[in-house]
Amino acid sequence: GAVVSQHPSWVICKSGTSVKIECRSLDFQATTMFWYRQFPKQSLMLMATSNEGSKATYEQGVEKDKFLINHASLTLSTLTVTSAHPEDSSFYICSAKSHGVNTEAFFGQGTRLTVV
Amino acid sequence: AQSVTQLDSQVPVFEEAPVELRCNYSSSVSVYLFWYVQYPNQGLQLLLKYLSGSTLVKGINGFEAEFNKSQTSFHLRKPSVHISDTAEYFCAVSGDNFNKFYFGSGTKLNVKP
Repeated sequence: GAVVSQHPSWVICKSGTSVKIECRSLDFQATTMFWYRQFPKQSLMLMATSNEGSKATYEQGVEKDKFLINHASLTLSTLTVTSAHPEDSSFYICSAKSHGVNTEAFFGQGTRLTVV
Repeated sequence: AQSVTQLDSQVPVFEEAPVELRCNYSSSVSVYLFWYVQYPNQGLQLLLKYLSGSTLVKGINGFEAEFNKSQTSFHLRKPSVHISDTAEYFCAVSGDNFNKFYFGSGTKLNVKP
C-alpha cells in the first residue's frame, strides 16, 4: 500500500504555544487528507477533511480557529494546534487518499502531542 | 449514518489460545470494513480489509476476519495468539468513497504467558 508519513512522531510543548504537525503522502498525490484525534482510552474521531487547495471542512464541535489545517500541495497537509492547552494533549492521526471515487485511504503513524 | 460497535473493551487470553474479537456495524449503504492494530504509543497498522469478493479475508500476522452481511458483523480471529499480539485492535467502516472512517471503541487484547 501507499505510504503516509507524519512528523513529528511525538512533541511536547508549553501551554500557550502553537505546534505544527505534518502529514505527507510519500508515493502518491493526496487530493484529500483527513485528520483524526484519539483521546486517551477512546477511539479515533474525525476532526476535519481537507482537499488540496481548498479550505478544510471541520466536524461538528471542532474549533477551526484552534486547529488550523492547511493542504497547500498534493503531498502535504499540516495541522497547527494554536495556543495549546493541556486538554489538547492527544494522539493525532492523518489519513490521505488520491483522486477518484473509490480510491483507498491510508493512515499515518500518528503524532503524540503533550502540552505541559 | 454508519457506526461500529466493539462490544469487548478488553479480551484476556493465554498464549497459543485462539481468540475472536467481535465487531458489528450498522450502515444504510455498502461499506468497506477494516481491522487496524495499534501498539502502545504507535499509529495504526492495517491488519486486513474487506472491499469485495470472498467474505473470508486473511491479513497479516495470521489474523483473518469474516464478513457476514446478514449479521452485519466482521469478527477478527486468530487460531493461536502470541505475546506479541498484545495491542489494541480497532474495527472501522468506510463508505464507497473512503471519505470518512468510523471507528469502533477498540478492544484491548492482552495475551498472557
